[in-house]
Amino acid sequence: DAMVIQNPRYQVTQFGKPVTLSCSQTLNHNVMYWYQQKSSQAPKLLFHYYDKDFNNEADTPDNFQSRRPNTSFCFLDIRSPGLGDAAMYLCATSSQGNLGETQYFGPGTRLLVL
Amino acid sequence: AQSVTQLGSHVSVSEGALVLLRCNYSSSVPPYLFWYVQYPNQGLQLLLKYTTGATLVKGINGFEAEFKKSETSFHLTKPSAHMSDAAEYFCAVRGSSGGSYIPTFGRGTSLIVHP
Repeated sequence: DAMVIQNPRYQVTQFGKPVTLSCSQTLNHNVMYWYQQKSSQAPKLLFHYYDKDFNNEADTPDNFQSRRPNTSFCFLDIRSPGLGDAAMYLCATSSQGNLGETQYFGPGTRLLVL
Repeated sequence: AQSVTQLGSHVSVSEGALVLLRCNYSSSVPPYLFWYVQYPNQGLQLLLKYTTGATLVKGINGFEAEFKKSETSFHLTKPSAHMSDAAEYFCAVRGSSGGSYIPTFGRGTSLIVHP
């Protein structure tokens, strides 16, 4: 089945230790998104790619970076995780990013910062 | 700019009772509206969406929603709640950012179903 895969499902890191979360998709979608979701809150968009074009949300901290080496893969790098970065990180895709399109979400990676 | 307000962070119903989750939106352009469901420790899954055409939209798992432009609402309903419906529900409206169309999510409503 075509899907969005996130690895790992759970990630524990230490304060200040860089961490990378990965996302892959078999849907061949052009657009990939990274969201941060804290407990009982709405998903917050960090950035998105339309193909190779990177779009950073204005309030995304510089501590967060992303790479998309090819259509299928997208990575979220947190350069120096702080306690406030503990959250669920959701990857999503959509075909062309058009208005009526559905987003397809992965299961998420829950990040714990010690 | 677009925004979504979900009234009630928690809704509690008995099994078999009507489910009503409220969503009001603000949009400067004709809205595209979505309801997603999130089960614990999982990603979001589309329940239904309104783009154009019929204002009553039917989705998966017996849910439906009605787009009411005059009330700027897109409330989610289900005639009879099931225990398996217990989850977090998010309403979203599609806007634009950097040339792409980006959904704006509401804060979510947690549906609690009592036996």
